[in-house]
Order: sequence, then C-alpha cells, then structure tokens
Amino acid sequence: SYVLTQPPSVSVAPGETARITCGGNNIGTKSVHWYQQKPGQAPVLVIYYNSGRPSGIPERFSGSNSGNTATLTITRVEAGDEADYYCQVWDTSSGHSWVFGGGTKLTVL
Amino acid sequence: QVQLVESGGDVVQPGGSLRLSCEASVGYTFSSYGMHWVRQAPGKGLEWVAVIRYNGGNKYYADSVKGRFTISRDNSKNTLYLQMNGLRGEDTAIYYCAKIPREYSDDYNYYYMDVWGKGTTVTVSS
Repeated sequence: SYVLTQPPSVSVAPGETARITCGGNNIGTKSVHWYQQKPGQAPVLVIYYNSGRPSGIPERFSGSNSGNTATLTITRVEAGDEADYYCQVWDTSSGHSWVFGGGTKLTVL
Repeated sequence: QVQLVESGGDVVQPGGSLRLSCEASVGYTFSSYGMHWVRQAPGKGLEWVAVIRYNGGNKYYADSVKGRFTISRDNSKNTLYLQMNGLRGEDTAIYYCAKIPREYSDDYNYYYMDVWGKGTTVTVSS
C-alpha cells in the first residue's frame, strides 16, 4: 500500500513561513489534498489538487507537488494556524484506497 | 450551507455491532455526491474507512475493515450509513462522514473530502 510520510511537528514564529512536507513514491504524479484539524474539531479542506484553495481559505495557504515531495506552505503564520495538518492522496496500487499522511502538528511559537 | 450530522456512536463490547448514520442538510442534493467515512482513533491521525458512489454503486473499503463494515446510503432519506460488525478494540475512534466536491462523479480524482461532519464516537470495550 502507498505510504505518505509527514514530519510529526513543525514550529514557526508568528509572521514567518511554515512549510509542511508530505513524502511519497512519485507523489508528483498524484493529486495531493491537505486538511487542517484544530483540537476537538473536524478536519477542514485547505488545499485541493496540489495547489487549489477552497473559498474561505486565506491566500496565505498554498501548495506544490513535484517528484517525491508535496509541500503545504503557510506564509505570515498566525496563532490561529496552529493545528494538525494532513496530506491525502487517492491510490490504486492495490485496489482503490484513500491514503492520509500521519499528520504534522504546527506549533506557532 | 452543507451540513453533515453523524449519529449512532456508542460504547459496545468486542464482537458487537453498531450502525452509524450521517444525515445531510436540506439544500444539498445528497443523491448527487459520493460520500466517505473517515475515522480517528484517540490521539492518532486520520484513517480512511470506506467510500460509496453517489448512486450507491461502487463501494470500497480499507483493508482494516473489509468484510466487517458495510457502507450504504438511502438517497430518499439523505442519509449515509456505516454498518459495523465484529467490532474490535482498534475500531475505537471518532467516525466522520465527508462528501466529495463534484456531482455525479465517477472520476476518483475528484473523490477528496470537501465538507466534513463533526463526528460520532465509537468505543469498543468490555
């Protein structure tokens, strides 16, 4: 089965740029989606199709995907961005499967 | 505004059964969209469970639940279901339902999750 690897944690000061990576074999050939989950809340879609941004999501959130790594970038980080972030892909290597990364805890210092 | 409301979570003994429901709000054409179940064990990450096509066809399951869980839907009631049999301790989790963003889609590239419910809690314990 397909494995997505995320760093467990990323820390950044307010106003700085946070980059959260999602590694996978040839992930650049797949569409990657990103979800934000704050404590006690349901996940929220923040990036779809590698770099698309749903309505209501600030322009500070962006995504890219190439080679073996997809990246979620958050510029001008705010305290309210502190959350867990998950990447996700659709995989067909062994049937149909929707795979999540292990999640990254973003801490705003 | 689309709203999804899960229900049916409970405490159940190992080996037991439970049926979860996910009701979609009026104003959202439930029957037009594929739906997922996703779960999250305490303190853990997200795990995809199952998906169903907009018309109830083509269902897929995670290996961890295959043969024990069944996803279904009743489009006349705007409701998605997850029948869970043979429950195990590792099934303890918050269960979320989520819709996909594109109507009448058979293209699984569009089967990401754009709206999520708040979840219902299942605890498997003796």
